[in-house]
Amino acid sequence: EAQVTQNPRYLITVTGKKLTVTCSQNMNHEYMSWYRQDPGLGLRQIYYSMNVEVTDKGDVPEGYKVSRKEKRNFPLILESPSPNQTSLYFCASSPRTVNEQFFGPGTRLTVL
Amino acid sequence: SQQGEEDPQALSIQEGENATMNCSYKTSINNLQWYRQNSGRGLVHLILIRSNEREKHSGRLRVTLDTSKKSSSLLITASRAADTASYFCAPVSTDSWGKLQFGAGTQVVVTP
Repeated sequence: EAQVTQNPRYLITVTGKKLTVTCSQNMNHEYMSWYRQDPGLGLRQIYYSMNVEVTDKGDVPEGYKVSRKEKRNFPLILESPSPNQTSLYFCASSPRTVNEQFFGPGTRLTVL
Repeated sequence: SQQGEEDPQALSIQEGENATMNCSYKTSINNLQWYRQNSGRGLVHLILIRSNEREKHSGRLRVTLDTSKKSSSLLITASRAADTASYFCAPVSTDSWGKLQFGAGTQVVVTP
């Protein structure tokens, strides 16, 4: 089944404790992206990647890191999480020549 | 940068009625996409309309695009309780293919 998977789905952590949210797609898509969703603000793009080893900042990259060492994986790293990073996070992927994005199920992160 | 702004913010209708929501954006686009999100879940792509298209249909969905007014509309005909969801537009320009900027969405509630 073609899909985008994220792990973990739920995470409660404390300020300053490094964490990684994984994202993996099995559709051989070149493009991958991370979003956060907060009430009243819609989805805001954090980082995106057009291909392996190519990443670019979205609208809200501060406090986040990403890497794209393999085509299928695009992990989101929070080196020192803070409470304002409490949010619902979505990973998405897309074929390079088609803009339709396929979204993962989301990761609900709470930083205390 | 590009951002879709959906209007209205919320819409409540009864089953069988039509639901119409609008999207406005700021600059020139290559295409505009509509997505649906069921409560807390990942977004699902509904339809993509290119800048040279004026209208597109998919099942009970009808999307229009007016590039002169920088606006799009999504019509759901004969709505069902299962259409209850949030709907987002995402304008995409050629210059920023990788950047998708969603608005806050229109929350649609369809009551039986």
